[in-house]
Amino acid sequence: ETGVTQTPRHLVMGMTNKKSLKCEQHLGHNAMYWYKQSAKKPLELMFVYNFKEQTENNSVPSRFSPECPNSSHLFLHLHTLQPEDSALYLCASSRDRDNEQFFGPGTRLTVL
Amino acid sequence: GQQLNQSPQSMFIQEGEDVSMNCTSSSIFNTWLWYKQDPGEGPVLLIALYKAGELTSNGRLTAQFGITRKDSFLNISASIPSDVGIYFCAGQLGGSSNTGKLIFGQGTTLQVKP
Repeated sequence: ETGVTQTPRHLVMGMTNKKSLKCEQHLGHNAMYWYKQSAKKPLELMFVYNFKEQTENNSVPSRFSPECPNSSHLFLHLHTLQPEDSALYLCASSRDRDNEQFFGPGTRLTVL
Repeated sequence: GQQLNQSPQSMFIQEGEDVSMNCTSSSIFNTWLWYKQDPGEGPVLLIALYKAGELTSNGRLTAQFGITRKDSFLNISASIPSDVGIYFCAGQLGGSSNTGKLIFGQGTTLQVKP
């Protein structure tokens, strides 16, 4: 099942770099999500987009900047990250916010 | 905030054994989901539950939505080596409270000895 794709799969960046994560869903869904998964911690919701509009920002630092140009694409722009931001970043989508969410394979981010 | 308590944290079982794991919450959820995650991959949806008391099967997997809407369990029968992975429960609020936010449990790591 490759309904939700993410690129890159792995990313190493310095604290002064600017990079972007990309997510694309081929399921015709209207809602998209960014999650952070750190070792030994439950998945944490970061952002929710519904019909391209951001509906939830779960107190995420401004060094993470999401962008949703259309219902099929979601980006996470990264700037001046910290080593503690190293984690697996997962994108998900759902038909609507009431429906089950389907996840992409994630981007393994390492901040040096 | 809402929290989900998932147990056990880890299990090491013999191939062919049955497995049971559960999640409890202090909040009432309208939806319970169970996911499995393999190393280096995203979670894959196993079962979705939408009604209190609902019992749903997917092959050797069976999950139930608790009557109180505050708990759910997942059973795996006759485990096989490919069942190895981390299993997560997730709850979702409904109605006007539903922003799409899923609350995840801490995960149950399952290891199966051939």
